[in-house]
Amino acid sequence: KNEVEQSPQNLTAQEGEFITINCSYSVGISALHWLQQHPGGGIVSLFMLSSGKKKHGRLIATINIQEKHSSLHITASHPRDSAVYICAVRPGNQFYFGTGTSLTVIP
Amino acid sequence: KAGVTQTPRYLIKTRGQQVTLSCSPISGHRSVSWYQQTPGQGLQFLFEYFSETQRNKGNFPGRFSGRQFSNSRSEMNVSTLELGDSALYLCASSLHLTSGGANEQFFGPGTRLTVL
Repeated sequence: KNEVEQSPQNLTAQEGEFITINCSYSVGISALHWLQQHPGGGIVSLFMLSSGKKKHGRLIATINIQEKHSSLHITASHPRDSAVYICAVRPGNQFYFGTGTSLTVIP
Repeated sequence: KAGVTQTPRYLIKTRGQQVTLSCSPISGHRSVSWYQQTPGQGLQFLFEYFSETQRNKGNFPGRFSGRQFSNSRSEMNVSTLELGDSALYLCASSLHLTSGGANEQFFGPGTRLTVL
């Protein structure tokens, strides 16, 4: 049983396309995190959100706590957005991670 | 401010050996968490330290242990290494304890451990 499910697992897009990555979770949480991992391993925290929507540059994250669902959107995608995107939740003392969405943006 | 640093970046060990990995958090951060990432299992939470005390622990065997020093630097140790311990080990720091997940974490570059 996976507490966090992400879709799609893999995504290929043309430069400039609008991209959506989805995350569903089955546990009660106070916040959800979106992480970005580039080849080579380094992880960057993109968003931490507990309600509504947050925007940073071309990235937008939304969450619906009642429906236990979050989406990460990338507008005007660029090859440098190619990375693995991971959502994570922490109910209580455990961290649960999605398996990640591998995004490739083709010029 | 300098980011989270981890040493060493790469490590090769043989089965049965033990290994110690080090993590220096961002200055002023008091919480350090450790994660294991493998192709098969993805990211998994190992443990979290705050004020030199282990506060939370994931589902890993006792061969995995850690500690935190008074300057918030942390080490994790894996004893009696197994082939399956080959992984990227990441640490992350945050200002406060991450209970409830409502504190932003800053990740280090990771230590890639290969067990032969």
